[in-house]
Amino acid sequence: GQQLNQSPQSMFIQEGEDVSMNCTSSSIFNTWLWYKQDPGEGPVLLIALYKAGELTSNGRLTAQFGITRKDSFLNISASIPSDVGIYFCAGSTGRGSTLGRLYFGRGTQLTVWP
Amino acid sequence: SAVISQKPSRDICQRGTSLTIQCQVDSQVTMMFWYRQQPGQSLTLIATANQGSEATYESGFVIDKFPISRPNLTFSTLTVSNMSPEDSSIYLCSAGLAGENTGELFFGEGSRLTVL
Repeated sequence: GQQLNQSPQSMFIQEGEDVSMNCTSSSIFNTWLWYKQDPGEGPVLLIALYKAGELTSNGRLTAQFGITRKDSFLNISASIPSDVGIYFCAGSTGRGSTLGRLYFGRGTQLTVWP
Repeated sequence: SAVISQKPSRDICQRGTSLTIQCQVDSQVTMMFWYRQQPGQSLTLIATANQGSEATYESGFVIDKFPISRPNLTFSTLTVSNMSPEDSSIYLCSAGLAGENTGELFFGEGSRLTVL
């Protein structure tokens, strides 16, 4: 099956710094989704991307769908302590009603120091 | 978005027993899936829950071990059968909303199972 490589595996940053993480796949995807998971909780959807080159923001979060359709990145600006958690990228070869299964990256553990 | 409720949220089970996890969505959805997340790991798809028909299982997962029901568009169950300590994990229900060219999958809070 498709493999997603997510990096970095972990990040330790100071409050106020910007964060960038990315995900690459061995196959072309038609949908990219970014999730955040807090301890003891299920993943929460942050941003969804559907077109190559698409740049979408959600507050301090910005994500882009790579032009090659094999990668995506997530940026967090001016990090705050509540940004702590694990961020997962997920991709699908489908779109809309054919979204189907998601392939997940291994996650990026973000730690923010006050 | 869709709000997904799972029960139980956690349980401690004895080896050899079976446990059924329920997933209720607050709206009709086209897609429902069951994932497993082992401690410190990413999410692995167990199966697609198909409404009114047998679930579609991923490689490494079989119906006898993980029977799934989906009687309607808002409800599904996953049973973990004949449990062993290796089945200790978080089991997550996921449900999807699809537009013409868009699609989003939402997750429940998970059911954390510990098998002794």
